Amino acid sequence: KQEVTQIPAALSVPEGENLVLNCSFTDSAIYNLQWFRQDPGKGLTSLLLIQSSQREQTSGRLNASLDKSSGRSTLYIAASQPGDSATYLCAVRPHTGNQFYFGTGTSLTVIP
Amino acid sequence: DGGITQSPKYLFRKEGQNVTLSCEQNLNHDAMYWYRQDPGQGLRLIYYSQIVNDFQKGDIAEGYSVSREKKESFPLTVTSAQKNPTAFYLCASTSGGSGRHEAFFGQGTRLTVV
Repeated sequence: KQEVTQIPAALSVPEGENLVLNCSFTDSAIYNLQWFRQDPGKGLTSLLLIQSSQREQTSGRLNASLDKSSGRSTLYIAASQPGDSATYLCAVRPHTGNQFYFGTGTSLTVIP
Repeated sequence: DGGITQSPKYLFRKEGQNVTLSCEQNLNHDAMYWYRQDPGQGLRLIYYSQIVNDFQKGDIAEGYSVSREKKESFPLTVTSAQKNPTAFYLCASTSGGSGRHEAFFGQGTRLTVV
């Protein structure tokens, strides 16, 4: 069974700092990996989706990379803002099977 | 606007009651999912459905039931057999076939036992 880990569980940074969130997974036979944002009491908002054949995806200040061989993905946030404060989750969809597996998330606080 | 609608946003259940959470999508997605989220435990899969009139149990299906009579709808019933139902419930959908399989989520239903 795929295991997904996100470290650190919580992160606090001053506004303007660049930061990296980590996601690791145990089985490299993945179909895609997706990064989400969750605000308190809300659903998940999709940020970036990386297919297994891709190395990275970019959207605005966000850049996600994927290294299947090492079982790792990173989410890079440039010039962080207080509005970036949220929990960030990664999810992995395996090549076989019909579900996806989530990490427990990183809670990010950006201090003004 | 295309998306997933969950209702109600808040739901209260008395001991011994069954309650049903609604999930509707207008994304024309084939697959739909129900997840439960508890603090510190991440998201756990309850049930999923790849096609109308078919569904499979996830990791924590006991005490829950679902139906998929229409492509757009995937309601979840929390039965009295679920001993600890207080949680945040999230519905998701993805496209099928050889597509991106990008997942989209609703805004969630918070269920509380009173």
